Amino acid sequence: DIVMTQSPDSLAVSLGERATINCKSSQSVLYSSNNKNYLAWYQQRPGQPPNLLIYWASTRESGVPDRFSGSGSGTDFTLTISSLQAEDVAFYYCQQYYTTPLTFGGGTKVEIK
Amino acid sequence: QVQLQESGPGLVKPSGTLSLTCAVSGGSISSSNNWWSWVRQPPGKGLEWIGDIYHTGSTTYSPSLKSRVTISVDKSKNQFSLKLSSVTAADTAVYYCARRGSGTYFWFDYWGQGTLVTVSS
Repeated sequence: DIVMTQSPDSLAVSLGERATINCKSSQSVLYSSNNKNYLAWYQQRPGQPPNLLIYWASTRESGVPDRFSGSGSGTDFTLTISSLQAEDVAFYYCQQYYTTPLTFGGGTKVEIK
Repeated sequence: QVQLQESGPGLVKPSGTLSLTCAVSGGSISSSNNWWSWVRQPPGKGLEWIGDIYHTGSTTYSPSLKSRVTISVDKSKNQFSLKLSSVTAADTAVYYCARRGSGTYFWFDYWGQGTLVTVSS
């Protein structure tokens, strides 16, 4: 199984400041034949299902604000919220879809400082 | 707009079988572009993929649950189902059904609202 490790477990950021979440996979999720990273990011607000933010590690889903961005390749990935808004308080999860079993990171809780 | 809705008992006795159904609307479960999935989340914890089914009936299961899981599809009702046998308190979770892609995309793009299943006597 590919183990996804997120850090930190939680972070508190002031409104308008940058939030950075890291995700590391136990093996590369870069598919060499198409040079794509098989990694997605989801936001989960309290009491809600996860909501897709980013796929292919850096492609923003339609309708997702451009303050959300994804970067990284191979085994190391980052989700950045460039200017934290109140509605961004949530858990964030990375997920690899390179192979089954599909696996998620443990989640990062983002709060307002 | 695709919508998914889970249904089933919210309480299951230990050693019993958990049974849930996911009704799909706004799209066909027979689409060749999608897998139909179950994901669970224990209270206060992270997400765990349980398994998927394709409209042909082909399935993939998490190895950790494979011996206890059965996912089936009913194309006539546009729904798919989950059965998890020999449940224990560790199976208490919110169970989500979701859609993920096949072929051109592979992530989960639509999710149900989730249903809490508690395993308790």
